[in-house]
Amino acid sequence: NAGVTQTPKFQVLKTGQSMTLQCAQDMNHEYMSWYRQDPGMGLRLIHYSVGAGITDQGEVPNGYNVSRSTTEDFPLRLLSAAPSQTSVYFCASSYSTGATEAFFGQGTRLTVV
Amino acid sequence: GQNIDQPTEMTATEGAIVQINCTYQTSGFNGLFWYQQHAGEAPTFLSYNVLDGLEEKGRFSSFLSRSKGYSYLLLKELQMKDSASYLCAVRDGHQLIWGAGTKLIIKP
Repeated sequence: NAGVTQTPKFQVLKTGQSMTLQCAQDMNHEYMSWYRQDPGMGLRLIHYSVGAGITDQGEVPNGYNVSRSTTEDFPLRLLSAAPSQTSVYFCASSYSTGATEAFFGQGTRLTVV
Repeated sequence: GQNIDQPTEMTATEGAIVQINCTYQTSGFNGLFWYQQHAGEAPTFLSYNVLDGLEEKGRFSSFLSRSKGYSYLLLKELQMKDSASYLCAVRDGHQLIWGAGTKLIIKP
């Protein structure tokens, strides 16, 4: 049981490049989400999904796209990277929206130069 | 607006007890969570409170007062491995609103 698998762990991008952060879970969880974590700030929700085919915006969605074609996968796309997107990104999943515990991937440390 | 406040940093001694406070103002409330995050790692779940009162789980306890918008995490018999950040989060609908976290430093 792998839990939540997030790749890559580290990435350096040039301004304007695009990339996809991968997130997969094998726990048959309905709810998945993407956060960014910046120094001195709490985790901020980028996008979330309550099930396959359903996505919605969180607090800071600009510059990011998501899709949820299967229950297992929830990739996050950076369309045109900017230095302001330098951050640590976490994917999380839980059994349902009302679940009492969320499981996090190991994080992606992204630097945009 | 949505606001969750926690102290930025706390220091405690190995073997002692420490209480980390969290106050919140959110438009909705469907439960409060505490997570532990070691440096460079992902957050891991510690506790969940949805009703007023104390939830105890081993050396860790969490308390909630919904009328006061207040929670605390109590850590007993502190160990060096408890050095980490402790994150408070409130569920509002489909979303979790997070505090900035409290960095706990344990001294021998």
